[in-house]
Amino acid sequence: NAGVTQTPKFRILKIGQSMTLQCTQDMNHNYMYWYRQDPGMGLKLIYYSVGAGITDKGEVPNGYNVSRSTTEDFPLRLELAAPSQTSVYFCASSYSGPGESSYNEQFFGPGTRLTVL
Amino acid sequence: AQSVTQLDSQVPVFEEAPVELRCNYSSSVSVYLFWYVQYPNQGLQLLLKYLSGSTLVESINGFEAEFNKSQTSFHLRKPSVHISDTAEYFCAVIMDTGRRALTFGSGTRLQVQP
Repeated sequence: NAGVTQTPKFRILKIGQSMTLQCTQDMNHNYMYWYRQDPGMGLKLIYYSVGAGITDKGEVPNGYNVSRSTTEDFPLRLELAAPSQTSVYFCASSYSGPGESSYNEQFFGPGTRLTVL
Repeated sequence: AQSVTQLDSQVPVFEEAPVELRCNYSSSVSVYLFWYVQYPNQGLQLLLKYLSGSTLVESINGFEAEFNKSQTSFHLRKPSVHISDTAEYFCAVIMDTGRRALTFGSGTRLQVQP
């Protein structure tokens, strides 16, 4: 199993450009998440999904959009890049079922380092 | 507001010395607690977790953490650290609100010196 994969690993954008960060998991997990990590800070939740076709906002959704057309894929879209979106982006997935399996660990991808100039 | 606080941003320690990384949380609902480790230029890996049962949980590489409900803490300890333990450590909680997403502390950088 590859686990959670993210592409690209690095990207430099100019202000106003758009891009899509790709995330794929092969563990048949129902929950998927996007986080951003700023220097010296913990991770902040951008968006999450509880299954194909269902997404919802996290703590810091402004400037981003997501879609979940399949169980495996959860792309993150930046429409008009701004310097404030310079960060490291992590995708994660987990399986949530009944009882204590509702709180299983999240598996993280290696991250995408994005710089907006 | 629900939050997770890691009191130390950096902890320098000599090899083979003991270490404690502190984590406190505030929540009015049930919580499920995790410690993640991030090695340089890598994603996060689960170190250990507390869901229920024994309040002392252990990892396979010698770390342990104890859930203290009265003090709302989940401190991470290791009796003897190695150079290879140098990394960023994040405390995180899932609060029982249905979202299942992690709320992270700001992280503690453990720097093990020879």
